Amino acid sequence: DTEVTQTPKHLVMGMTNKKSLKCEQHMGHRAMYWYKQKAKKPPELMFVYSYEKLSINESVPSRFSPECPNSSLLNLHLHALQPEDSALYLCASSQGQTQYFGPGTRLLVL
Amino acid sequence: ILNVEQSPQSLHVQEGDSTNFTCSFPSSNFYALHWYRWETAKSPEALFVMTLNGDEKKKGRISATLNTKEGYSYLYIKGSQPEDSATYLCAFEGGSEKLVFGKGTKLTVNP
Repeated sequence: DTEVTQTPKHLVMGMTNKKSLKCEQHMGHRAMYWYKQKAKKPPELMFVYSYEKLSINESVPSRFSPECPNSSLLNLHLHALQPEDSALYLCASSQGQTQYFGPGTRLLVL
Repeated sequence: ILNVEQSPQSLHVQEGDSTNFTCSFPSSNFYALHWYRWETAKSPEALFVMTLNGDEKKKGRISATLNTKEGYSYLYIKGSQPEDSATYLCAFEGGSEKLVFGKGTKLTVNP
């Protein structure tokens, strides 16, 4: 299995909702990442987990809460989001220099 | 603020044409330069990771060069095919596992 999977593919949520994005890889990679991409902008790093511990938080607002329950799974818990948080959320994993990306979850916050 | 620039923003070529585009990045604190190919509704696909000045890598009809002293990388596609249509992203890595992406070059190859 050489892919990173993400669920759901699409998500619409209200500003008072709580939802979670999921990311899974079975390549034995030690590092996992969340990126956010808004339209016509480059992907921007949000969080990095290394050996299931949070190693980088790029000053992301607390309404985004990452979780790494085990070495294969990475979640992003969403609560009280704003319409400007609507974006494509990409997950990636790596072992060595190459990061392997999932297809993303397209999130719309109403 | 770390700036990674890609040009052109978009490009239309005919099938069979060869093409190239540019990624420019800071020449200081360089660790690696990554190229990705991203088709619509799919995952970004890693093409190359380049680390050494003067490096040249090739994958089929796609090749890339790296100049770390002046801070640029070129991606070349020889004999473009419609299936090469995608957005090509470069990303600068300064040694902290953090990739800083450019906005990409959107390539359309017309049959």
